[in-house]
Amino acid sequence: QKEVEQNSGPLSVPEGAIASLNCTYSDRGSQSFFWYRQYSGKSPELIMFIYSNGDKEDGRFTAQLNKASQYVSLLIRDSQPSDSATYLCAALPTAGGTSYGKLTFGQGTILTVHP
Amino acid sequence: EAQVTQNPRYLITVTGKKLTVTCSQNMNHEYMSWYRQDPGLGLRQIYYSMNVEVTDKGDVPEGYKVSRKEKRNFPLILESPSPNQTSLYFCASSFGQGYRNTEAFFGQGTRLTVV
Repeated sequence: QKEVEQNSGPLSVPEGAIASLNCTYSDRGSQSFFWYRQYSGKSPELIMFIYSNGDKEDGRFTAQLNKASQYVSLLIRDSQPSDSATYLCAALPTAGGTSYGKLTFGQGTILTVHP
Repeated sequence: EAQVTQNPRYLITVTGKKLTVTCSQNMNHEYMSWYRQDPGLGLRQIYYSMNVEVTDKGDVPEGYKVSRKEKRNFPLILESPSPNQTSLYFCASSFGQGYRNTEAFFGQGTRLTVV
């Protein structure tokens, strides 16, 4: 079982809609979770991180974390064509010592926002 | 400007010819990592380093070596490259001082082709 799994997509939504990206993780002790956006041929860039249960909002983006269900999601409101990219979910494993550098990534979900 | 710099950006080499991909960061980060990215597999960690002279294997270390003689540099060495190491490689760095400060900053990527 992969440690971090994302809905494989690709996901296609119309401009202005809400895009919902999902991620589950297997390490129950995981502490922090990250959403990265990666445009084709470019390096990943951080959109949001979350470490507490509940919702975290930043502009059009909302990250949701449910540790009991081991589930993380990213909602993009008012989706724009410029949001078309691959979205990567990452988890930081059980805290302590050397683990802070060991991010584990999901396989990514390709999002296309069409006009 | 805070950045992670990888070189070269593109490299075509032949099987068995030793090569080094350099990575340097100017943010005084403790943690540095190497990832490879392949279609459908997401980002997989090769090696990571917690500080100078401290390194550990990631998920796919076979065929790779690293060293961390200075805090800012973390080169990736392929002693005898093989075609299955053809991939897109990313270097990343982060503070790693607790689970709230582990945003990873990525280099521009190195596209390696081994023929």
